[in-house]
Amino acid sequence: QQQVKQSPQSLIVQKGGISIINCAYENTAFDYFPWYQQFPGKGPALLIAIRPDVSEKKEGRFTISFNKSAKQFSLHIMDSQPGDSATYFCAASYQGAQKLVFGQGTRLTINP
Amino acid sequence: ETGVTQSPTHLIKTRGQQVTLRCSSQSGHNTVSWYQQALGQGPQFIFQYYREEENGRGNFPPRFSGLQFPNYSSELNVNALELDDSALYLCASSFRRGLEQFFGPGTRLTVL
Repeated sequence: QQQVKQSPQSLIVQKGGISIINCAYENTAFDYFPWYQQFPGKGPALLIAIRPDVSEKKEGRFTISFNKSAKQFSLHIMDSQPGDSATYFCAASYQGAQKLVFGQGTRLTINP
Repeated sequence: ETGVTQSPTHLIKTRGQQVTLRCSSQSGHNTVSWYQQALGQGPQFIFQYYREEENGRGNFPPRFSGLQFPNYSSELNVNALELDDSALYLCASSFRRGLEQFFGPGTRLTVL
């Protein structure tokens, strides 16, 4: 019940296209859903996060869509650029849990 | 504002040895969490330290232990190293056990 399932494992998108990564969770206590971006040899960097009181949050080219009833959330990267090529992780947690529970990651490649 | 720093960057040990990894939290942050990231996987929560005490632990054996110092920096100690301990060890800092966690660059540990 603590798992977060992420798909796809890998994704190739053309420059300028939309990249979409999906995550699903089981634990209804989760109320914090961040996305992290990780480049090779680096630590994960917090991109954007959402709480379940809203269905969408946008920051620049990055948007999180949240569907509470389906227990799913997704990351959309608009106008994808080669510099966006990285591994993306979704995660989930709730206040008092201390830990973030991560998905398995999606390796995104943006072709120029 | 100083980000999360970790040392050393890389470390090679042999099975059975002991290792100590170090982390300095982002300025203003008083909570440190440690994660293990195996190759191609998402980070797995080891434990969290707040006010110099362990504040939550993941599914890791007692040979994984930690400390937090009055300046909020932290150490992760692993005894009796096993081959499966080879991974990227990530430190994340947050404010007052908050869920918004910021990661350092990690320490790559190789156990031979």
